[in-house]
Amino acid sequence: AQRVTQPEKLLSVFKGAPVELKCNYSYSGSPELFWYVQYSRQRLQLLLRHISRESIKGFTADLNKGETSFHLKKPFAQEEDSAMYYCASGQTGANNLFFGTGTRLTVIP
Amino acid sequence: DADVTQTPRNRITKTGKRIMLECSQTKGHDRMYWYRQDPGLGLRLIYYSFDVKDINKGEISDGYSVSRQAQAKFSLSLESAIPNQTALYFCATSVGIAGELFFGEGSRLTVL
Repeated sequence: AQRVTQPEKLLSVFKGAPVELKCNYSYSGSPELFWYVQYSRQRLQLLLRHISRESIKGFTADLNKGETSFHLKKPFAQEEDSAMYYCASGQTGANNLFFGTGTRLTVIP
Repeated sequence: DADVTQTPRNRITKTGKRIMLECSQTKGHDRMYWYRQDPGLGLRLIYYSFDVKDINKGEISDGYSVSRQAQAKFSLSLESAIPNQTALYFCATSVGIAGELFFGEGSRLTVL
């Protein structure tokens, strides 16, 4: 079965500092990878997906098949980035997304 | 705005009671999902449905059942609730295979 690992439950950084949220996946084929975010009092929403290769709110994530990783990065953290972040993996053509356990990011002013 | 709506948002019940959580959507999506969120465990899939006649079990379907009453409605039932079913439940919809999920606001269930 697919597994998604987010090793950090909590991550705190200072405003303006770089931030990296780690995600590793177990599937060896062609995965589809996503980052979802849940801001305080808001519903879970898609932040970005690897196939679109875009930057959303300053965040980027690169798929590294050799390391089976899809880490989320932002060069300069902002207070509004404080939220719960979930990495999710889906097999191409499959019916389901597997979610990691989430990382709560706190950006300290 | 097209939306995914869950009712009730909060529910406290007792062990052994039957509980139904309802989900309706105005997005016109065919695919609907029920997830459960527990602290430290992330989101786990309970059931999913690709159309009215299609129901599939997810990772943790034991103790749950679902009904897809219409394209827009997908209900989750706990026939006899137990305390370890205390969790936050999310309904979601999507248009594609393992594609972008659109989530409801969640239903917090407490089983005493």
